[in-house]
Amino acid sequence: AQRVTQPEKLLSVFKGAPVELKCNYSYSGSPELFWYVQYSRQRLQLLLRHISRESIKGFTADLNKGETSFHLKKPFAQEEDSAMYYCALSGPGNTGKLIFGQGTTLQVKP
Amino acid sequence: NAGVMQNPRHLVRRRGQEARLRCSPMKGHSHVYWYRQLPEEGLKFMVYLQKENIIDESGMPKERFSAEFPKEGPSILRIQQVVRGDSAAYFCASSPLTDRAKGYTFGSGTRLTVV
Repeated sequence: AQRVTQPEKLLSVFKGAPVELKCNYSYSGSPELFWYVQYSRQRLQLLLRHISRESIKGFTADLNKGETSFHLKKPFAQEEDSAMYYCALSGPGNTGKLIFGQGTTLQVKP
Repeated sequence: NAGVMQNPRHLVRRRGQEARLRCSPMKGHSHVYWYRQLPEEGLKFMVYLQKENIIDESGMPKERFSAEFPKEGPSILRIQQVVRGDSAAYFCASSPLTDRAKGYTFGSGTRLTVV
């Protein structure tokens, strides 16, 4: 079965510290993975997708098929990074359906 | 472009009443997805619709829930005879025909409270 697991409900770091938000998945096939972010009182928005291999707001994520992981990283956290982060997997059949993890709240302290 | 519009933002219903949640997709988007977020959980897929067609309703509860996306007007998620367990945030997303997962745009959600 397709599943996305984010083991941490809350991750609290100090400003300037490195951040790694964990995401593991199970999927039979070639997965397409995404990170979504929801800032306070805003709607959920796409942060990045593994296919584009881009860096957005200093965040990167590498797909590791051996470990079935897609961890989100940033070398130096900023207070404005505080938000809820969701890892998501595009489901089978190329319908656009997404399977979400439970989400991790990132809290960056000054 | 106003983005994906959902209304109402908050909806309170008594047990046994009906709840109607509306979603107007972004201009040019022909695909609509509904997700539900229960307290302390991630978003769970419910249904995927195109105009006048339900493409995938594998996440919809078998009873009391229905969805439509008519030729004209918004997509509607309808919950009949609501129960306390239906209390959740319901999110709608729309995408264009091509590269659907990349083009996802979410609405702000409707928070349903059943009292």
